[in-house]
Amino acid sequence: QVQLLQSGAEVKKPGASVKLSCKASGYTFTNYYVHWVRQAPGQGLEWMGIINPNSGGTSFAQKFQGRVAMTRDTSTSTVYLELSGLRSEDTAIYFCARDRTHAGFDPWGQGTLVTVAS
Amino acid sequence: EIVLTQSPGTLSLSPGERATLSCRASQSISSSYLAWYQQKPGQAPRLLIYGASSRATGIPDRFTGSGSGTDFTLTVSRLEPEDFAVYYCQQYNNSPYTFGQGTKLEIK
Repeated sequence: QVQLLQSGAEVKKPGASVKLSCKASGYTFTNYYVHWVRQAPGQGLEWMGIINPNSGGTSFAQKFQGRVAMTRDTSTSTVYLELSGLRSEDTAIYFCARDRTHAGFDPWGQGTLVTVAS
Repeated sequence: EIVLTQSPGTLSLSPGERATLSCRASQSISSSYLAWYQQKPGQAPRLLIYGASSRATGIPDRFTGSGSGTDFTLTVSRLEPEDFAVYYCQQYNNSPYTFGQGTKLEIK
């Protein structure tokens, strides 16, 4: 079945960087865009950006411009999110989600908790 | 940026009752690009409705999406115990692909 499997929880100090992975299975990796969405504790969903696994092209929410990167490895069907200059406000669960091409985001990965604390 | 405002913030109902959740956009959205998600504690969001009114695979027919332009509605006709959760609307018409702040559907 179509599945996105994310890497495990991370604990980082302020100012550090984190790189998360999201491995796709059950479908042709290069045929569907992938989004990253985060959720701070007790808060709502915040869209961060999108990557085209075929071309590697990306687009980010303005809020994250300059400190976010999204990459992919087609040989392993994996997309990556790297966030730099971490601050306490970046503590959140980070989700990847497949874009069903004008039909919503589905499925979602299980989420990765990133904790930023000194 | 399109801002989505959901109401009410919390809805307290009993199993078997009907739930009506609202999502209002700050500017018109093509109906093709409005989705609803359900999220339970400790879980990832699950796609319920896309294109404003199309149910995703495996979603029971008690979930109905409707609306157009700037006003959209998710209706749950007869609440089951497993329906109590947080619901988000989302527009994917224009980047950034924004979400509403969520409606918590709780057991009365």
